Amino acid sequence: DTAVSQTPKYLVTQMGNDKSIKCEQNLGHDTMYWYKQDSKKFLKIMFSYNNKELIINETVPNRFSPKSPDKAHLNLHINSLELGDSAVYFCASSQATSRDNEQFFGPGTRLTVL
Amino acid sequence: GNSVTQMEGPVTLSEEAFLTINCTYTATGYPSLFWYVQYPGEGLQLLLKATKADDKGSNKGFEATYRKETTSFHLEKGSVQVSDSAVYFCALKVSGGYNKLIFGAGTRLAVHP
Repeated sequence: DTAVSQTPKYLVTQMGNDKSIKCEQNLGHDTMYWYKQDSKKFLKIMFSYNNKELIINETVPNRFSPKSPDKAHLNLHINSLELGDSAVYFCASSQATSRDNEQFFGPGTRLTVL
Repeated sequence: GNSVTQMEGPVTLSEEAFLTINCTYTATGYPSLFWYVQYPGEGLQLLLKATKADDKGSNKGFEATYRKETTSFHLEKGSVQVSDSAVYFCALKVSGGYNKLIFGAGTRLAVHP
């Protein structure tokens, strides 16, 4: 069974478009994250939600808007896409009350903006 | 601030060679330390972790020891296999910091037969 799933796996779109990436976890975790991995593999956190509440919001353009309809889902909507948004976006989840707080990652969504 | 520095790759080794990937960190408080691995085309997987000084994390033949005096968490394996080819990320989590992971830049390992 897939623990953290993301759709779509690949997304190719034109500059200026609006797109969404969806993430779902079936681990019963209460915390979810979005990370961005650039072309050099550098991985940086963007957002985190705990029990549907935004708890981490790094310096990310406000064109990026996360939405958590429930604890098992965290979607990422991106408005007015730019070339620099091309990257792999990873969703992750964890249980905040666990001692080690291991984060489980999804397979990633490769976004290409043309 | 909190940060992680890893040795630059790529690291290229022959099968059965000894592997070391260096990782040092800067952190406030007492962080937990992690190594994640990313195989080609996949997401990250936790490889091993250590939550306090002198702890040794180990998994699949990989080991890393939390050294507070040198602020290091170097990854080692005695005999690498072709299947170990991947990108390895060192990361830290500062206690009480909303579980935010801070990653190093990643080190690509290529193992040849």
